[in-house]
Amino acid sequence: GAGVSQSPRYKVAKRGQDVALRCDPISGHVSLFWYQQALGQGPEFLTYFQNEAQLDKSGLPSDRFFAERPEGSVSTLKIQRTQQEDSAVYLCASSLVPGSNYGYTFGSGTRLTVV
Amino acid sequence: GQQLNQSPQSMFIQEGEDVSMNCTSSSIFNTWLWYKQDPGEGPVLLIALYKAGELTSNGRLTAQFGITRKDSFLNISASIPSDVGIYFCAGQLRNSGNTPLVFGKGTRLSVIA
Repeated sequence: GAGVSQSPRYKVAKRGQDVALRCDPISGHVSLFWYQQALGQGPEFLTYFQNEAQLDKSGLPSDRFFAERPEGSVSTLKIQRTQQEDSAVYLCASSLVPGSNYGYTFGSGTRLTVV
Repeated sequence: GQQLNQSPQSMFIQEGEDVSMNCTSSSIFNTWLWYKQDPGEGPVLLIALYKAGELTSNGRLTAQFGITRKDSFLNISASIPSDVGIYFCAGQLRNSGNTPLVFGKGTRLSVIA
């Protein structure tokens, strides 16, 4: 596609519910990042994929967070047993060339609200 | 984790005025980036800086990479209503696109026509 597509745009989950957030990167982009943006804050890094390999998951806040990119294109961020502190916008970004700062494009995000 | 101190937190300016915002860090960064985020959208890259002392312009925007590699500023000249939004600085510790970005908390810019 023309840009990074994320779905759903909005998600309301009851506390304890599992959620899955989807990211469709720009076609052919090798690198994929997930960031979490709390209200009034800047984005914070969660995890990084190069193709299907998850090379860095140091930013995942707990073992309730899990991300995958099985075929090196679409990625899913899963949050199990959601808590209120998980409420945030989850941003996905992709880039064509690993090791390059150019073309690092963000999607519009998924706003998760846990009630 | 790494922290970027971005200031001011918010600004209200008249259309046509110049704007300046900055970012400082206790850590040395090899790359500084400036992004703009509109409501309901993801951040969009405005300017990227890769060398200490580098001064780069993009239209009415000018940004500099501090000599100490611990700071950067962004200037916007002759502001217009569409400049409204949240501006974020971001740094990378290493010169690699695989290295996560560390973001500041943002400067919210409001332009009064």
